[in-house]
Amino acid sequence: QAGLTQPPSVSKGLRQTATLTCTGISSDDDDEGAAWLQQHQGNPPKVLSYRNNNRPSGISERFSASRSGNTSSLTITGLQPEDEADYYCATWDSSLSAWVFGGGTKLTVL
Amino acid sequence: QMQLVESGGGVVQPGRSLRLSCGASGFTFSSYAMHWVRQAPGKGLEWVAVMSHDGNKEYYGDSVKGRFTISRDNSKNTLFLQMNSLRAEDTAVYYCARDRSRGGNYIMDVWGQGTTVTVS
Repeated sequence: QAGLTQPPSVSKGLRQTATLTCTGISSDDDDEGAAWLQQHQGNPPKVLSYRNNNRPSGISERFSASRSGNTSSLTITGLQPEDEADYYCATWDSSLSAWVFGGGTKLTVL
Repeated sequence: QMQLVESGGGVVQPGRSLRLSCGASGFTFSSYAMHWVRQAPGKGLEWVAVMSHDGNKEYYGDSVKGRFTISRDNSKNTLFLQMNSLRAEDTAVYYCARDRSRGGNYIMDVWGQGTTVTVS
């Protein structure tokens, strides 16, 4: 598994839907896909989704993850101003015994 | 509530050493693997290391392998990161994070606020 690729930036309007992508995850059937984390400026990251759309308690249903082949996607519906943040995908690479992060996507809500 | 508090950051000269600590509370520390993740100024997240719940397994990112050592004291609910031969590119905010599993390959679900290391 090579590095994870995310687009550097995505811009969408208020109340629209944004889909963020993460390419390079393992396409093995046994692989659990990518996790997604949100980070607001000056704050630590927060997990939004892990292992194919498991959401921690307290995370809005507006955030949902999916996977197709070697791409994981995070869809955010009904965009709100507070969704403006950096979003990272991450996965455990069992062949390297290492975690790999994507480079991050800066989401701007217009 | 679950809490992780990092300490030990500061300004250090290239080639010197520094030891970070992370105190845990609000959960059974010895039941979870623990990570260090860093973020250079204006850059993305970089995974540094993970240690299994019992300290028997540890894994490192390529950029720190051979220079950094992760360890833990379950009796004191504390995680450590010994950083040797520091370089300018090690300058970052260092976060401590809990893994939801014992082994460290599940998800980092609890994060500290971070401690800043500046190598200059």
